[in-house]
Amino acid sequence: AQSVAQPEDQVNVAEGNPLTVKCTYSVSGNPYLFWYVQYPNRGLQFLLKYITGDNLVKGSYGFEAEFNKSQTSFHLKKPSALVSDSALYFCAVRDGTSGTYKYIFGTGTRLKVLA
Amino acid sequence: SQTIHQWPATLVQPVGSPLSLECTVEGTSNPNLYWYRQAAGRGLQLLFYSVGIGQISSEVPQNLSASRPQDRQFILSSKKLLLSDSGFYLCAWSVRAGETQYFGPGTRLLVL
Repeated sequence: AQSVAQPEDQVNVAEGNPLTVKCTYSVSGNPYLFWYVQYPNRGLQFLLKYITGDNLVKGSYGFEAEFNKSQTSFHLKKPSALVSDSALYFCAVRDGTSGTYKYIFGTGTRLKVLA
Repeated sequence: SQTIHQWPATLVQPVGSPLSLECTVEGTSNPNLYWYRQAAGRGLQLLFYSVGIGQISSEVPQNLSASRPQDRQFILSSKKLLLSDSGFYLCAWSVRAGETQYFGPGTRLLVL
């Protein structure tokens, strides 16, 4: 079965330090992977995606993600965290098995950047 | 550019009352449309998706229904709300199935 896991409920990081938000996946076939961010009482904003090509994907707001096929991971990273990065982050994988290509979302990781 | 709208932004309804939430997309044609529910500020549950006018697929049996009367309009409805229908409802669109989904601002529904 297709699945995605975000093992950390919350991540705390000091402003200016690098941040990592973890995501692992299980899919059959080639994975399509996505990261979204959600601010309080707002919809999800698309950050970046991996479909094919370079394993390091760059996205919005200085975020990047590294696709690692052997570890089935797609961790979100940023070299220097900002307080404004504090939000809820979702990893998602496209389910290609049913023909409808629905998204399967992780449970979310709350990032708190401390000033 | 494309934009997606949802209204109302917030809604407080009594148990047993009807519901109608609306989602519209501008700047694109024949989008795939999705309704999600987010409970307790966490995981997203896909409720319905539509690949075209009048074509609705339901993911989870429930008290809700969806309709797509126009190409860029997606409506979520209920005849009688339950307490468990409370949550944050998100509409999304994509160019094609499996492509990047773009989300609306959401509607917060509180059923009392």
